[in-house]
Amino acid sequence: EDQVTQSPEALRLQEGESSSLNCSYTVSGLRGLFWYRQDPGKGPEFLFTLYSAGEEKEKERLKATLTKKESFLHITAPKPEDSATYLCAVQANDYKLSFGAGTTVTVRA
Amino acid sequence: DGGITQSPKYLFRKEGQNVTLSCEQNLNHDAMYWYRQDPGQGLRLIYYSQIVNDFQKGDIAEGYSVSREKKESFPLTVTSAQKNPTAFYLCASSRRGRVGQPQHFGDGTRLSIL
Repeated sequence: EDQVTQSPEALRLQEGESSSLNCSYTVSGLRGLFWYRQDPGKGPEFLFTLYSAGEEKEKERLKATLTKKESFLHITAPKPEDSATYLCAVQANDYKLSFGAGTTVTVRA
Repeated sequence: DGGITQSPKYLFRKEGQNVTLSCEQNLNHDAMYWYRQDPGQGLRLIYYSQIVNDFQKGDIAEGYSVSREKKESFPLTVTSAQKNPTAFYLCASSRRGRVGQPQHFGDGTRLSIL
């Protein structure tokens, strides 16, 4: 059974204080690892797909990296508008996604 | 703009009542999905459909039913057999045919018990 564990559960940052979120996974035959951002009361918003170990993707202050066992989402010099819950999901050989419980990031001005 | 529309945003269910959540997409995606989100847990898959007139049970299908009569629409019925229906329900869609395609989500329906 595919398993996804995200840590920490919650992260409080000062504006400009860079940090990283972790997504550890166990899956048989990784086809893709996905990062989403979810604001309160909204649906998840797609950020990145990573397909193979060593791959990196960037978008504004966010950078996602992938190894064979985990993925990191690095937030560089965060702003209050980066406050959200960040979800990680993995996809194996079928079309289903297995999600982690998420990391809730709060950035204080 | 293309996207996924879920309605209503809030829904209340009385005991013994079936309720139906609407999901419509104009992204021309073949695949559609229903998830349930509870506090502190990851999204859990209820049902999914890769093509019109075909759908499969996900991990927590008991107490739910779906139909897929049109490509654009994938309604979810929460039946009275679902004893703990209070949750945030999310609909998603994606391209079909290759794994690794991202799923795109609507803004959810929050279901509560009266």
